[in-house]
Amino acid sequence: DSGVTQTPKHLITATGQRVTLRCSPRSGDLSVYWYQQSLDQGLQFLIQYYNGEERAKGNILERFSAQQFPDLHSELNLSSLELGDSALYFCASSVGSRNEQFFGPGTRLTVL
Amino acid sequence: DAKTTQPPSMDCAEGRAANLPCNHSTISGNEYVYWYRQIHSQGPQYIIHGLKNNETNEMASLIITEDRKSSTLILPHATLRDTAVYYCIVRVADKGSGYQKVTFGTGTKLQVIP
Repeated sequence: DSGVTQTPKHLITATGQRVTLRCSPRSGDLSVYWYQQSLDQGLQFLIQYYNGEERAKGNILERFSAQQFPDLHSELNLSSLELGDSALYFCASSVGSRNEQFFGPGTRLTVL
Repeated sequence: DAKTTQPPSMDCAEGRAANLPCNHSTISGNEYVYWYRQIHSQGPQYIIHGLKNNETNEMASLIITEDRKSSTLILPHATLRDTAVYYCIVRVADKGSGYQKVTFGTGTKLQVIP
């Protein structure tokens, strides 16, 4: 158990819909990262927050957005969902911005 | 971050040492080598990291060449539970809050064979 929690574990929705994925980092970790992993693909970095502020952006679509709240939990919002958005979404946290990351169990999103 | 190159797959007999190579020829002086692994769709797990000295922990050993252009992750006695995708990444490591875009790549799929 890494100490990072993600909800929900599974999510099934339809094209065009909007969903919110939630992540609670390890106690004391200020940095949160979001990754997308499609079937048989590597981890694609989406976005990073540090203490509430966006720090780095990867290959995140404009239909996706994220935020980190004052209690340090983070949410990833996915809108106008397409079939290709079906993937595992992982959240990770670290103490600082440049330390080893601890990953949550992931949210499996299926868009039908 | 410097790019890394890893073989796409490797096999290892159970009980033998698994040696996973990684090339990072463009590594900068302040970049560390990190290793993670991902067991079948679970969240990736941190294994070890190092700068230039060899490192060992309860999971593995990390050997970094003197010129730091390549490294090897060693699992001393591989078990079936070590079957996973192993990722080598290089990145700056400090407690700062600066910009840090992390690239994982596709890793090496290690299959431990009974």
